[in-house]
Amino acid sequence: GAVVSQHPSWVICKSGTSVKIECRSLDFQATTMFWYRQFPKQSLMLMATSNEGSKATYEQGVEKDKFLINHASLTLSTLTVTSAHPEDSSFYICSAKRLAGARAYNEQFFGPGTRLTVL
Amino acid sequence: AQTVTQSQPEMSVQEAETVTLSCTYDTSENNYYLFWYKQPPSRQMILVIRQEAYKQQNATENRFSVNFQKAAKSFSLKISDSQLGDTAMYFCAFSRPPGSNDYKLSFGAGTTVTVRA
Repeated sequence: GAVVSQHPSWVICKSGTSVKIECRSLDFQATTMFWYRQFPKQSLMLMATSNEGSKATYEQGVEKDKFLINHASLTLSTLTVTSAHPEDSSFYICSAKRLAGARAYNEQFFGPGTRLTVL
Repeated sequence: AQTVTQSQPEMSVQEAETVTLSCTYDTSENNYYLFWYKQPPSRQMILVIRQEAYKQQNATENRFSVNFQKAAKSFSLKISDSQLGDTAMYFCAFSRPPGSNDYKLSFGAGTTVTVRA
């Protein structure tokens, strides 16, 4: 149990276009989902926290108009990179946290990541 | 903000031997959680072990164990009987309790562990 999927696993796009990445919790409901960015051989940097039905909370320095997050249901969150540029190329990882009271509710379950390349 | 420090960028260990990864953190809180995550070349994040700050007993998961020193704010990971599959980047992470308003994971910079055959 506690499987998180991401789609697509990799994407290549042209500069100026927008890209949407989906994060789904497959076998549990997630009140909260997190989006991270990771550069090669570096740590995970939290970009934003999204709660179902409410606006995402962005970390300092993350442009909310560039990285649009929608948490439409208890099993789906999306990250849209708008007007992507080469510097947005990175590995994006999502994670999901179970509802309070559920088993392992203090643990985040991670998706496999999405590699974005902007040409 | 909580700071997590991993001072060893890379570690190398012979298969079947033991390696210890260091982690220190900075917080003024009394109740929190500490984690070690493994990220193999596939880049899938895998939880290795978890420690709740109010528990004095060190957590153990098979070949993985921690040395949690709350007063020193230290949380080291020991990998015993290292296997080739342990080759990965290891991240130490801190979080407040899951019901906290500002619940999130703060990660250290990571330590790359290479197990040699």
